[in-house]
Amino acid sequence: DIQMTQSPSSLSASVGDRVTITCRASQSISNYLNWYQQKPGKAPNLLIYTASSLQSGVPSRFSGSGSGTDFTLTISSLQPEDFATYYCQQSYGTPRTFGQGTKLDIK
Amino acid sequence: QITLKESGPTLVKPTQTLTLTCTFSGFSLSTSGVGVGWIRQPPGKALEWLALIYWDDDKRYSPSLKSRLTISKDTSKNQVVLTMTNMDPVDTATYFCAHSLGYSPPFDYWGQGILVTVSS
Repeated sequence: DIQMTQSPSSLSASVGDRVTITCRASQSISNYLNWYQQKPGKAPNLLIYTASSLQSGVPSRFSGSGSGTDFTLTISSLQPEDFATYYCQQSYGTPRTFGQGTKLDIK
Repeated sequence: QITLKESGPTLVKPTQTLTLTCTFSGFSLSTSGVGVGWIRQPPGKALEWLALIYWDDDKRYSPSLKSRLTISKDTSKNQVVLTMTNMDPVDTATYFCAHSLGYSPPFDYWGQGILVTVSS
């Protein structure tokens, strides 16, 4: 299996901050990397696919970059509704593994 | 508008077989490139990918659970069924189904999830 490792596991930040979450794959996955946001009691919501493509309807303050094994999700200016848990997922190999999640909360 | 909804038992006993149904609308599983997958999430833990079925009946499974999982589709009913045998308390989780489209795609639409508890 391809292992996905996110860092940090948790992060405290303030409204207006710029935040970066990283995801590392145990082998090259080209650009087959997706990012999801999940709020308590809800299903995940797709933010970014193929590393840097913004899903329709997702605010432009979210961006993604990277290829190969190292990827980042950046939120340019945190809004109150962005406090949630974020997951990366590779869609290169089977199983389509997820990272362990990064919980973003209010400082 | 694409929607998906999971249904099935919310409580199963250890060693029993779990059968979950994903009923969807807004797309057809006979359309080229379409897939429906299952993902689960134990309480307070991370997401775990389980299985995926494509429009052409290609099926993919998590290797660690492959011996216990079966995924199937009924295109006429717009349903995908996941069975998991020999349930254990560690299988207690919210089970989600989700839609995908294309080659090595993400899951772009998700059901609300169903919490399944395994307990005697």
